[in-house]
Amino acid sequence: DIQMTQSPSTLSASVGDRVTITCRASQSISSLLAWYQQKPGKAPKLLIYKASSLESGVPSRFSGSGSGTEFTLTIDSLQPDDFATYYCQQYNSYSSFGGGTKVEIK
Amino acid sequence: QVHLVQSGPEVKKPGASVKVACKPSGYTFTDYGITWVRQAPGQGLEWMGWIGTYNGNTNYAQKLQGRVTMTTDTSTSTAYMELRRLKSDDTAVYYCARRGSGPLLYYFDYWGQGTLVTVSS
Repeated sequence: DIQMTQSPSTLSASVGDRVTITCRASQSISSLLAWYQQKPGKAPKLLIYKASSLESGVPSRFSGSGSGTEFTLTIDSLQPDDFATYYCQQYNSYSSFGGGTKVEIK
Repeated sequence: QVHLVQSGPEVKKPGASVKVACKPSGYTFTDYGITWVRQAPGQGLEWMGWIGTYNGNTNYAQKLQGRVTMTTDTSTSTAYMELRRLKSDDTAVYYCARRGSGPLLYYFDYWGQGTLVTVSS
């Protein structure tokens, strides 16, 4: 099984900040990685797929990069609606999720 | 618009089974797979497995092998997830989601609203 490790687990930030979340895979997953946003009591929402492709309707302040084993999700100019938990998901070998990163208000 | 509607909450005793339904709309059912993901209270997302709706092929997470079965009924365009021999740590919200049709597309773009399954004696 491929293990996905996200860091940090919690991140405190202010509106307008640039935020970066890292996801590491236990073995190479090429670019087969997606990012999701989840708010309390709601289903996850797809933000990024194939490591850097922005899902339709997702604001352009979200971007993804990386390949192989190391990936990042960046939020440029954090907005009030962006305070949530973010998960990475690999789909190179079946599937698995990272443990999540909670972005909270500083 | 694409929607996935799941069946309602369930309360089960340890050792029992539960079957959760997921009914997508807004696209051709057999053009996409269905995956199941669960989330225990206050915890992260756990991939449970998926099913190809065109051919019924399944893959399950290793830790659930032998206890989980995913099926579809193409006549009603409904997907099902059955979990057997329930334990207290199976208490979670269970989500279905649409999965892409080819291996390079196995991310999850539309999600159901979630079904809370509570396992308690």
